[in-house]
Amino acid sequence: GAGVSQSPSNKVTEKGKDVELRCDPISGHTALYWYRQSLGQGLEFLIYFQGNSAPDKSGLPSDRFSAERTGGSVSTLTIQRTQQEDSAVYLCASVRGGNTEAFFGQGTRLTVV
Amino acid sequence: GIQVEQSPPDLILQEGANSTLRCNFSDSVNNLQWFHQNPWGQLINLFYIPSGTKQNGRLSATTVATERYSLLYISSSQTTDSGVYFCAFLTGGGNKLTFGTGTQLKVEL
Repeated sequence: GAGVSQSPSNKVTEKGKDVELRCDPISGHTALYWYRQSLGQGLEFLIYFQGNSAPDKSGLPSDRFSAERTGGSVSTLTIQRTQQEDSAVYLCASVRGGNTEAFFGQGTRLTVV
Repeated sequence: GIQVEQSPPDLILQEGANSTLRCNFSDSVNNLQWFHQNPWGQLINLFYIPSGTKQNGRLSATTVATERYSLLYISSSQTTDSGVYFCAFLTGGGNKLTFGTGTQLKVEL
């Protein structure tokens, strides 16, 4: 596609439920990042995928969070047993590779009630 | 890791005013970007500017990599310029896009 696409745009879920957030990067971009941003805060790095290399999971806040990237393209971020503190905007970015420009999707606003 | 600091942290302008936002980083970077986060939370790419000067309409940016800073100029500001401005860069291995602390801009009529 023309840009990074994320779905859903908004998600309201009950505490304890699992959620899946999807990111469709720009075609041909080899690197993909997930960030989250809590209300009024900066961007918090979660996970990074580069080609077929093992992902950098150093930013995942707990083992309830996991992500995969299938076929080097679409990525899914899964949050199990959601908690209220998981409420945030989850942002995905893709990069063509070689330390060049990053482009972000519009984000998924997750609200855990 | 490399530290990134932006100034000022907050800025209020009257429509039509000009402003300069600054991004200082503690070590050399080679892929600096400026983003505008609009009130709806979307991050808009403004400039990819590892070095030199670029202009796009009322906005321009200059990065002096050897002196470890970048500047974003906004001229004839408009209310739609409101939001948070971030500078950011990828670490050497490309593992993480490190963001500055941000400048919260509000442009008033």
